[in-house]
Amino acid sequence: NAGVTQTPKFRILKIGQSMTLQCAQDMNHNYMYWYRQDPGMGLKLIYYSVGAGITDKGEVPNGYNVSRSTTEDFPLRLELAAPSQTSVYFCASSLVSTGELFFGEGSRLTVL
Amino acid sequence: KNEVEQSPQNLTAQEGEFITINCSYSVGISALHWLQQHPGGGIVSLFMLSSGKKKHGRLIATINIQEKHSSLHITASHPRDSAVYICAVSDNNDMRFGAGTRLTVKP
Repeated sequence: NAGVTQTPKFRILKIGQSMTLQCAQDMNHNYMYWYRQDPGMGLKLIYYSVGAGITDKGEVPNGYNVSRSTTEDFPLRLELAAPSQTSVYFCASSLVSTGELFFGEGSRLTVL
Repeated sequence: KNEVEQSPQNLTAQEGEFITINCSYSVGISALHWLQQHPGGGIVSLFMLSSGKKKHGRLIATINIQEKHSSLHITASHPRDSAVYICAVSDNNDMRFGAGTRLTVKP
């Protein structure tokens, strides 16, 4: 099993560009999450999904969009990138809402 | 005030020392998680607990629900234990994270 796979690992964007961070898991987990990690801060929840076709906002959703068309995939879309979106992004999944979390390797995004 | 507070923020130890990292939280929880983030950035789950104590190898995690406090202990620390240790609390679909404790174990 690959677990949680995130791509790309690194990306540099110009202000105003758009991009999609891909996340896939092969553990048949219902719950999937997108977090961002800023230096010296705890992980912040951007969006989460409790199953295919269902998504909901987390603590810091502004500037992002998600979709969950399949159980496996949970892409995060950045529209009109801003320097404030420079961060490390982590995708995670769990079988149940309070279950063990499995993380992707992270995606380091820089917006210049 | 953050809902999840960890102490210390940074910790340097000599190889072989006993390590304790503390986590206090101010919200109701279903479970508490201890995570390890390696220098390369990857995050792995160490423990998930809702009461009592769990042990895995040289790692021990305890939680006191009444005091809203958890500790992560590392016995016989080793340089490979150098990492950021993150405490997180979950309730339903909500998870809140501490800022992490950066541990450096010197040989």
